[in-house]
Amino acid sequence: GENVEQHPSTLSVQEGDSAVIKCTYSDSASNYFPWYKQELGKRPQLIIDIRSNVGEKKDQRIAVTLNKTAKHFSLHITETQPEDSAVYFCAPGEGGKLIFGQGTELSVKP
Amino acid sequence: NAGVTQTPKFRVLKTGQSMTLLCAQDMNHEYMYWYRQDPGMGLRLIHYSVGEGTTAKGEVPDGYNVSRLKKQNFLLGLESAAPSQTSVYFCASTTHVRGGQPQHFGDGTRLSIL
Repeated sequence: GENVEQHPSTLSVQEGDSAVIKCTYSDSASNYFPWYKQELGKRPQLIIDIRSNVGEKKDQRIAVTLNKTAKHFSLHITETQPEDSAVYFCAPGEGGKLIFGQGTELSVKP
Repeated sequence: NAGVTQTPKFRVLKTGQSMTLLCAQDMNHEYMYWYRQDPGMGLRLIHYSVGEGTTAKGEVPDGYNVSRLKKQNFLLGLESAAPSQTSVYFCASTTHVRGGQPQHFGDGTRLSIL
């Protein structure tokens, strides 16, 4: 089955710095690459996604880049703010099914 | 627009008891999913459905059953609860579109089995 790994598992940055989280996957059939943010005790919420025919997508301070050949995609957050502190999950998938990574806990220190 | 609604929000069971978790969505989505999330881990797929009357197994289906009698509802059953099933359960739904679509999640059900 699909093997999904996220790195790092924890990340601490100063407010205003950038943060990058990388997700590697094994299933070459994956064609959908979302990132979810989950605050403590809350539901996962989609923050950005990309499809296999696109290499990069940006939405204000958040961007996702995809390298299908190397089977990895990354989440980039610029100008981090304390409210960005949360657990972030990648969840590559295809055919309507997603496989979640183990999560990256991001802490943004004021 | 409520989105995805899960009931109950919290439940405590004794080992061996049975219960059903209900998920309802009002977005006319074809696909629905049940996940479990354990501390420090990502979400693991239990069962899913690609349409009314259909169900399929996910990564961790043992000990659970599901039914999708109506398009808007997806039920998750535990026939004989075990302490290993203590977890937070999330339901999600999405549309059927080639190339992938976001899954919309409910608020979760926190289940403790003693």
